This record gives sequence, structure tokens and C-alpha cells, in this order.
Amino acid sequence: GAGVSQSPRYKVTKRGQDVTLRCDPISSHATLYWYQQALGQGPEFLTYFNYEAQPDKSGLPSDRFSAERPEGSISTLTIQRTEQRDSAMYRCASSPRTGGDLTEAFFGQGTRLTVV
Amino acid sequence: AQSVTQLGSHVSVSEGALVLLRCNYSSSVPPYLFWYVQYPNQGLQLLLKYTTGATLVKGINGFEAEFKKSETSFHLTKPSAHMSDAAEYFCAVSEGSGGYNKLIFGAGTRLAVHP
Repeated sequence: GAGVSQSPRYKVTKRGQDVTLRCDPISSHATLYWYQQALGQGPEFLTYFNYEAQPDKSGLPSDRFSAERPEGSISTLTIQRTEQRDSAMYRCASSPRTGGDLTEAFFGQGTRLTVV
Repeated sequence: AQSVTQLGSHVSVSEGALVLLRCNYSSSVPPYLFWYVQYPNQGLQLLLKYTTGATLVKGINGFEAEFKKSETSFHLTKPSAHMSDAAEYFCAVSEGSGGYNKLIFGAGTRLAVHP
């Protein structure tokens, strides 16, 4: 696609429900990142994928958070048993490749999650 | 551990005035440094980046930043502010190792430009 697409743009859910957020990266981009941005803060790294592999998930705050990218393109981020502290903007970004020569990460518009 | 500090969560300037947004970082290895901008209802957009080489980096929309290792700073400047520059600006650092670009962001600075 022309850019990184995230859906839904806004999600309101009740505490205790599961939510799944979707990211459609730029076509052929190898690397995909997920970030969480709380209100008034900068984005914080959650995890990343190199194609379908997930080499680093050190930023996932708890085992309620999981992400997958089964075919190396679209990725989903799932939060189980949501809590109010999960309310944040969730940002996805993609890059053309990994390697020593870093390239620009292209960000989507984000999904604003509100847990009530 | 790496970290980024942006001094001033809100900065207000007059149209035509100098824009200066401050960023200090900590890193145990030579850092890669970035400035991103977020306009309302849009995603983060890369303004400029420093990886190696020239320490004065020019970006889009007339912005530039200078990497000063001795001061561990990467301040963002623009000589003359325009109304369209009103946005939130994020400084970020990356180790550039491990084959991927894990960014550590500052808390952001919201820039207001008034007539």
C-alpha cells in the first residue's frame, strides 16, 4: 500500500475485554514495529518483526500483550483482559530492511485505545 | 540504558521567529539520533536524522539539527517559524545495533506558532 495503515483508528472497550489492533505495513517492508504511547509521553517500543520472525518482544508490558505477523506482512497486536492502564495510542511502523544501515521507519496514524 | 530528555513540553513562538527545540540524550555507544514531527490526525513523520558524518543535519521544511557529542545534545532549529510548523515534535535515539532500529523517544514538545 501507499503507507502504513492501522485499524481501527479509535477503539473503546470495557475493562476485561480482549482487543485486537491491526497494522498493514508498506508493501514489501521487511521490518514492522509496535509502539505504545501514553498520553503526554513519547512512544515506547513494544516489539518488532523481521518478516514473520519476532526477535525482540522485550517491550511488551505483560503476558496479556501479544503480537503476530504470520505471513510476514499484516500484523496484529492483541491485548487480553484489558485494563484501564492499557489506554494509549498504539503505533505501528515499518522499514524496508534490517541491517547495519538503518532506514527510516514509516509510521501509521495509530489506534487510540480507551479502556473504560 | 539510553534515554532522551526534551526540555519544555510546550514552546510558543511568533511567526517568523527562531524555533529552538531542545533534546539531550544519554547513550553508552555512538548514537543514531532522530527528530519526528506529528501533525494533528497524522502519523509520526521523520524530519531528519543523524547517523554518521556531518554533525549538522538538514531536514525537511527548513529544519536542521546539530549533533554535539560533548554536550550530548541534538537540538532542532528553524530560522523562521511558519504557522504550519505548529505540531508536536519528538526526539529519539537508537543504538543502531542488532540490525534493527529500536527507537527511544523523548516525551515530546508541542510547538505553538502565533501571528
